[in-house]
Amino acid sequence: AQTVTQSQPEMSVQEAETVTLSCTYDTSENNYYLFWYKQPPSRQMILVIRQEAYKQQNATENRFSVNFQKAAKSFSLKISDSQLGDTAMYFCAFPPPDSNYQLIWGAGTKLIIKP
Amino acid sequence: GAGVSQSPRYKVAKRGQDVALRCDPISGHVSLFWYQQALGQGPEFLTYFQNEAQLDKSGLPSDRFFAERPEGSVSTLKIQRTQQEDSAVYLCASSLLRAINTGELFFGEGSRLTVL
Repeated sequence: AQTVTQSQPEMSVQEAETVTLSCTYDTSENNYYLFWYKQPPSRQMILVIRQEAYKQQNATENRFSVNFQKAAKSFSLKISDSQLGDTAMYFCAFPPPDSNYQLIWGAGTKLIIKP
Repeated sequence: GAGVSQSPRYKVAKRGQDVALRCDPISGHVSLFWYQQALGQGPEFLTYFQNEAQLDKSGLPSDRFFAERPEGSVSTLKIQRTQQEDSAVYLCASSLLRAINTGELFFGEGSRLTVL
């Protein structure tokens, strides 16, 4: 069965620090996408970054980057120079192989950026 | 509109009442999803529409839950005879793509339902 595990229910860092959120998953597939979504307190979920599993290069979007370890099935999110606006729930997600519209979601990590 | 719009943002219902939650997706988006999100948890899939066709309703918890998207744009999630366990945030999301395993989902702000 496909699963997604986010082992850190809550994290807290000082503004401007770097923080890494972990995500591990289980799949038998070889080609797939992985996603990190952010849900700020206003609750509108937005896509932060996506990674294609067949690409060796880690995806980067400004201050957000991933550390994708395919063999270890690990997909961590690194936030550099953290800002107060980064305070949110962060969810890792990936599509199961038998569906082109479903996503399997992790339980989320609550990230608090302290001033 | 510019984004996915959901209404009402907050709904308090007495147990046994019927509720209707509305989702107005981004114009032109083919795919529409409803998710249920409990406090501190990730979204749980409820149902999926491709245009007006409901292709998957396997996540609907019971036959008290019903969703429709009659003209392939606005969607309504209806919950009949609400129970306390229905209390949750109901998220709507849309996508330009038919397949979202590579693409981005656009979410609304959600409708928070509290059943007393």
